[in-house]
Amino acid sequence: QQQVKQSPQSLIVQKGGISIINCAYENTAFDYFPWYQQFPGKGPALLIAIRPDVSEKKEGRFTISFNKSAKQFSLHIMDSQPGDSATYFCAASKDNNNDMRFGAGTRLTVKP
Amino acid sequence: DAGVIQSPRHEVTEMGQEVTLRCKPISGHDYLFWYRQTMMRGLELLIYFNNNVPIDDSGMPEDRFSAKMPNASFSTLKIQPSEPRDSAVYFCASSWPGATGNTIYFGEGSWLTVV
Repeated sequence: QQQVKQSPQSLIVQKGGISIINCAYENTAFDYFPWYQQFPGKGPALLIAIRPDVSEKKEGRFTISFNKSAKQFSLHIMDSQPGDSATYFCAASKDNNNDMRFGAGTRLTVKP
Repeated sequence: DAGVIQSPRHEVTEMGQEVTLRCKPISGHDYLFWYRQTMMRGLELLIYFNNNVPIDDSGMPEDRFSAKMPNASFSTLKIQPSEPRDSAVYFCASSWPGATGNTIYFGEGSWLTVV
């Protein structure tokens, strides 16, 4: 069932640094690629998403880079803050089909 | 809106007992999902419904697991009999195929411990 592979499993970054999380997918029919953020004791919540017609999407300190030919996408968190410490999930789905498949998650710790 | 509501939030049960997890999706959402989260396997899709009809249950681990959605505002996930390896956080989520994409809204999860 693991159609989306995510790495690393865990990541420790100093405050102000750049956090980078990578994902790869197999199914070329996927055309919607969101990232979800989960704080301890809470459910995941949508952070940012991209469609394959663009190679990059930026929202504040969060950027998704998308490489369609390599079937890879990544999340970059610029100027990482302790409040960004959470588990991040990449995901993929086919549009108009809510069968969303998630990566295994990356536990990010930002040290002050 | 109150969001996706799950109950119970925490449950500790003995092996062999029946466990029923409940979910109320966001009003107006016509997709409902059950996910299971563990350290080993991450976030796994167990089953999802569209307009109360099960669409894909290929993620349900075995016959001990069953899910129902009798109406648009209620769903259950049942484990009978429960086993220690079923210990996990079970998330219910809902969505609607809006123009902005397939945003899935998660509940806060039901933390299940089977001893």
